[in-house]
Amino acid sequence: GAVVSQHPSWVICKSGTSVKIECRSLDFQATTMFWYRQFPKQSLMLMATSNEGSKATYEQGVEKDKFLINHASLTLSTLTVTSAHPEDSSFYICSARRQGYSYNEQFFGPGTRLTVL
Amino acid sequence: EDQVTQSPEALRLQEGESSSLNCSYTVSGLRGLFWYRQDPGKGPEFLFTLYSAGEEKEKERLKATLTKKESFLHITAPKPEDSATYLCAAGSTGGFKTIFGAGTRLFVKA
Repeated sequence: GAVVSQHPSWVICKSGTSVKIECRSLDFQATTMFWYRQFPKQSLMLMATSNEGSKATYEQGVEKDKFLINHASLTLSTLTVTSAHPEDSSFYICSARRQGYSYNEQFFGPGTRLTVL
Repeated sequence: EDQVTQSPEALRLQEGESSSLNCSYTVSGLRGLFWYRQDPGKGPEFLFTLYSAGEEKEKERLKATLTKKESFLHITAPKPEDSATYLCAAGSTGGFKTIFGAGTRLFVKA
């Protein structure tokens, strides 16, 4: 149980285009989903927290107009990188917290490698 | 301020050489201490949740323990396939946040 998927697993795009990444909880409902960014050999950097049906909460320094997050249902959250530039190239990972569980366990997706040319 | 510190940053072991990874935490109200394994180019894989001091959990060659200030991940007779980055995280009642450590990169040589 507690499986999270991400799609796509990797994407290459041209500078200036927008890219959408999907995060799905496959066998549980997730009231809260998280989006992380990870640079090579570094730890996870939390970008934003999204709760189903409400606006995402962004961490300090993360541009909300650039990284659009939508948590439309209890099993799906999307991250859209708008007008992507080479500096946005990174490994993006989502995680989900199970509905009804009192502890903060997060279950992670496999990640999406974004390369902006 | 909530904080999680892992040590060492990197650990190199010979196959069969047991050792421990440390996770020190300072949070305003612990709401679970979590261990994850992350392989290169993949998302973290959930290993354990520890809820209170004195608790221990085991999975194959891994054993996690928890005190009021730190957690240890003991690796017994490691194999090369145990090579990965091990992440520790603490859940805090302050805003229900989860604070991640920087990780320990484990290398096990055959």
